[in-house]
Formats: sequence, structure tokens, C-alpha cells
Amino acid sequence: QVQFLQSGAEVKKPGASVKVSCKASGYTFTTYAMHWVRQAPGQRLEWIGWLNADYGNTKYAPKFQDRVTISRDASATTAYLELSGLTSEDTAVYFCASGGGGMATITHFDYWGQGTLVTVSS
Amino acid sequence: EIVMTQSPATLSVSPGEGATLSCRASESVRSKLAWYQQKPGQAPRLLIQAASSRATGIPARFSGSGSGTEFTLTISSLQSEDFAVYYCQQYYNWPQTFGQGTKVEI
Repeated sequence: QVQFLQSGAEVKKPGASVKVSCKASGYTFTTYAMHWVRQAPGQRLEWIGWLNADYGNTKYAPKFQDRVTISRDASATTAYLELSGLTSEDTAVYFCASGGGGMATITHFDYWGQGTLVTVSS
Repeated sequence: EIVMTQSPATLSVSPGEGATLSCRASESVRSKLAWYQQKPGQAPRLLIQAASSRATGIPARFSGSGSGTEFTLTISSLQSEDFAVYYCQQYYNWPQTFGQGTKVEI
């Protein structure tokens, strides 16, 4: 069965960067896109970006365009989210997710990682 | 971007009763609408995609309807495990966006 296992919680200071990993299993990694979604405390889910797991190309939400990098190591079936210039507003749970849209940049999400809490605090 | 608005914010229901949750899009998303259930400390779980198609393993008491800008999630005869927060998501127009959620509580 499809599973995503994310890295553990992080605590960062303002201005720092964070890198979260998402290890995929149960399917051929290069046949589905990987998306990243975040959820700040008490807030709605927010889409961050998309990765073509086969070719490695990416697309980001305008809000994050200047400070996010999504990448992958296909041999390790792992995707990464790196966010720089952290502020307290980046405190959130970050999820990797994939869905029925194959490599589509826009889709619903059938499968989710367990989430990684990133806390930004001085 | 398309703004998704859910109502009510909180819905108080007794076990065995039905619940109707609403989701409105700021412009048409045709039938590209999904519903998710989220419990505390867990990732969202896909319930409905394409406005009315239940995801694999989802009980028949969950049903979705609507198209364009108005959508409904109906839960008939709530079970104890159904008390959670429910989100809608449009995936018609980039970027995909989510509603603010409806909390279904006892």
C-alpha cells in the first residue's frame, strides 16, 4: 500500500531554513507527482508546491515562490521541501501528499504523509 | 485564486442524526471538488472526489453533491468516529485551494 513517511519535528529560529523529507513506498515513485501542503494552527490547509517525481521539475504557489525549493532523490524514493527565511507565520504542520491526478499540478489528494511540525521561535 | 467558503463553522449533532455541510466557491469549479475528514493530530483523509464519488473504503453514509459553485457533503446517521473537521478543496483552477473547515461536534 502507498505510504509516505516524513521526517521528525523541527524547531528553528527566525531567518533560518528547514528541510523536510518524505519517503514514499508502495508504488513506483516516478509515476506520480508529489505535492506539499501546510496547515498553520487553526488555519485552513494551504498548497505550497508540486514536484514531477520523474523529471524533477517543480511549480510553486506564488506566496512561496521566492523561498521554497522542492526536490527529490528518485533512487531513494524521497521528496524534500526546503523553506528559507522562516518567520513565526511559517509555524505549521507540513504534509507531503499525492493523488489520482498522476503528474498533474492540480489534483485531489488520496495519500498523505503523517505531517511534520515545524516551529519557528526565537 | 478561487476562494472556498464553508458553512457552518461548527455543527453540533447527536450520534445517529444526519449532518449537512456546505461549501461555496468564489467562481465555478465545475465538479472538481473534493471533501476531506481530519481528526486531531492526523493527516486529512479523502472522502469524496469529483463532487460525488466516494473514495475507496469510504462508507456509504457519506455522500457529496453539487456542481459549479455550490456543494454539499451529507453524513447520514453520524457515528462516533465521524466527529472531526471536514474540508472542501477545489482542483479546477491553479492553485488548488481549501475551505476553512467545518467542525462536526457532539
